[in-house]
Amino acid sequence: SQQGEEDPQALSIQEGENATMNCSYKTSINNLQWYRQNSGRGLVHLILIRSNEREKHSGRLRVTLDTSKKSSSLLITASRAADTASYFCATRLYYGGATNKLIFGTGTLLAVQP
Amino acid sequence: SQTIHQWPATLVQPVGSPLSLECTVEGTSNPNLYWYRQAAGRGLQLLFYSVGIGQISSEVPQNLSASRPQDRQFILSSKKLLLSDSGFYLCAWSLTIFGTEVTGANVLTFGAGSRLTVL
Repeated sequence: SQQGEEDPQALSIQEGENATMNCSYKTSINNLQWYRQNSGRGLVHLILIRSNEREKHSGRLRVTLDTSKKSSSLLITASRAADTASYFCATRLYYGGATNKLIFGTGTLLAVQP
Repeated sequence: SQTIHQWPATLVQPVGSPLSLECTVEGTSNPNLYWYRQAAGRGLQLLFYSVGIGQISSEVPQNLSASRPQDRQFILSSKKLLLSDSGFYLCAWSLTIFGTEVTGANVLTFGAGSRLTVL
């Protein structure tokens, strides 16, 4: 079963607006990451937030993490048509030590209308 | 700099035929290697991961197998393809994790993907 579930499944906004995507997960994590996938391409890493961090910024991206609620959000500010893509959260599970598995959620399809 | 190559990019195969997808990484040593599958409009499913030559962990029991004959080479195979094997296959690598956190160790770098259609 999927560790992460993104919400909403699809989001359509106008250029210049902000886009917010949410991710919920089930088990304890070491870190949570967000990736972007353009249609028919491989995924590209955007940002990583560790389990002891609550917020992180990178350019127009802002990620929050609430480990008590097992949830994260990705905010893209001042969206552009080029931001149109699918966005996935991924969790590195914590097994009391290092783990090599990165489990992906189901993704949010973002469409930014020019 | 590190690069990852994955081929073929597109493959159309009949049911029952064999499969071989190949992935190679350049510019790094002893990477963790991964195979994911993405069904149309869905998330990524982890199929296999490897922490070293000959060391393969399987996540999903199925008719697929993986091998790592060399440090930077990861191969996904099947002896007989099923219709349900259709999908977008993605290879990825990350730095090796040595117990403690290593900067960038957690981040996956993906190949361009291989689209498999089984008819």
